[in-house]
Amino acid sequence: DTAVSQTPKYLVTQMGNDKSIKCEQNLGHDTMYWYKQDSKKFLKIMFSYNNKELIINETVPNRFSPKSPDKAHLNLHINSLELGDSAVYFCASSPRLRGARLGGYTFGSGTRLTVV
Amino acid sequence: GQQVMQIPQYQHVQEGEDFTTYCNSSTTLSNIQWYKQRPGGHPVFLIQLVKSGEVKKQKRLTFQFGEAKKNSSLHITATQTTDVGTYFCGASGGNEKLTFGTGTRLTIIP
Repeated sequence: DTAVSQTPKYLVTQMGNDKSIKCEQNLGHDTMYWYKQDSKKFLKIMFSYNNKELIINETVPNRFSPKSPDKAHLNLHINSLELGDSAVYFCASSPRLRGARLGGYTFGSGTRLTVV
Repeated sequence: GQQVMQIPQYQHVQEGEDFTTYCNSSTTLSNIQWYKQRPGGHPVFLIQLVKSGEVKKQKRLTFQFGEAKKNSSLHITATQTTDVGTYFCGASGGNEKLTFGTGTRLTIIP
């Protein structure tokens, strides 16, 4: 019954490889996000999708490409992985409340990516 | 872009003492949200504040939104070991995204 599920939970890979992280939500939310949390715990938004449409792209290198096949799924593909990509990546979703205001985010359990 | 500062960065308290974290924005906010992240876990939504001067309580937790809607605070009364974690504010200037504060890491000394 997991509301926002991400796979894999852990990912260890070599520099230069390409990898994907998958995210699915069963909450019926319209908006989904990818956040990156670095070693200092800082949460930084990467992308936001609303009903499969990209609405936020926060100066993320174009090696990162999100894909939303439907509003319940938001995947993240990363090409040519670099050491600095090591972090925890969180998927999240949120409802739209009255006046189109964002509701509380529900986060997935995170994917810990380690690039060696 | 929007900047959200959170203080303190770390707080160590004796069990039973109170704890407060503050969130300050450089711009007027539409709303603010608070989250708790346990060690090794993911952020969990606690509450959303929308109105100027709003105060909300959840058991031992008290949340406030400033009159000018540029700052907010989370106060925990009589901390317990289960309160350990990092507390984040998430600020929204409009309807598109939250900008998270830098977080306050709370540790409890039993």
